[in-house]
Amino acid sequence: GAVVSQHPSWVICKSGTSVKIECRSLDFQATTMFWYRQFPKQSLMLMATSNEGSKATYEQGVEKDKFLINHASLTLSTLTVTSAHPEDSSFYICSAKTGGYEKLFFGSGTQLSVL
Amino acid sequence: RKEVEQDPGPFNVPEGATVAFNCTYSNSASQSFFWYRQDCRKEPKLLMSVYSSGNEDGRFTAQLNRASQYISLLIRDSKLSDSATYLCVVNINTGFQKLVFGTGTRLLVSP
Repeated sequence: GAVVSQHPSWVICKSGTSVKIECRSLDFQATTMFWYRQFPKQSLMLMATSNEGSKATYEQGVEKDKFLINHASLTLSTLTVTSAHPEDSSFYICSAKTGGYEKLFFGSGTQLSVL
Repeated sequence: RKEVEQDPGPFNVPEGATVAFNCTYSNSASQSFFWYRQDCRKEPKLLMSVYSSGNEDGRFTAQLNRASQYISLLIRDSKLSDSATYLCVVNINTGFQKLVFGTGTRLLVSP
């Protein structure tokens, strides 16, 4: 099946620094990728929909200037958490679909810990 | 009201037991439905899509009741490896399509 690679798997950073997370579709082209955040014992919350070659669509309550999304190619989307704070500590996960939602593939996730 | 609601559990069952999870959704315009499995700190993996007529995949059976806006997952002959969190996922169409995830139901299968 299709593979989505996400890096890094985990990152620890100091408060105020920026962190970039990469999401790559390895064997298919993804015009649309999705970024989610999951706090402990909570559901995956969609943060934004990343569209290749255009601006991302952010969900209500998600700060677009804090969570920068770039989808410059059909196989790569990046999420940059700018000026990270401890409350940004969470599990971030990307996904991409090749057709309908029954063909949705997830990256392995990134555990971000901000000290 | 949450768009997708699940009992968080945990459901503690012995090996070999049959267990059922329920899920309700609030948006009647929801188009497609899925059950995902998520292990701790891992990505969700599609378990099965849910069709109006109900569908079965081995020990797993999914049912959809559109009138009651209710989805279920039945696991027969539980295995230790079934221990995980099961996410009810709904594709909601509010002008554009969006997947909404439930908080998940945790299952613990013991020897």
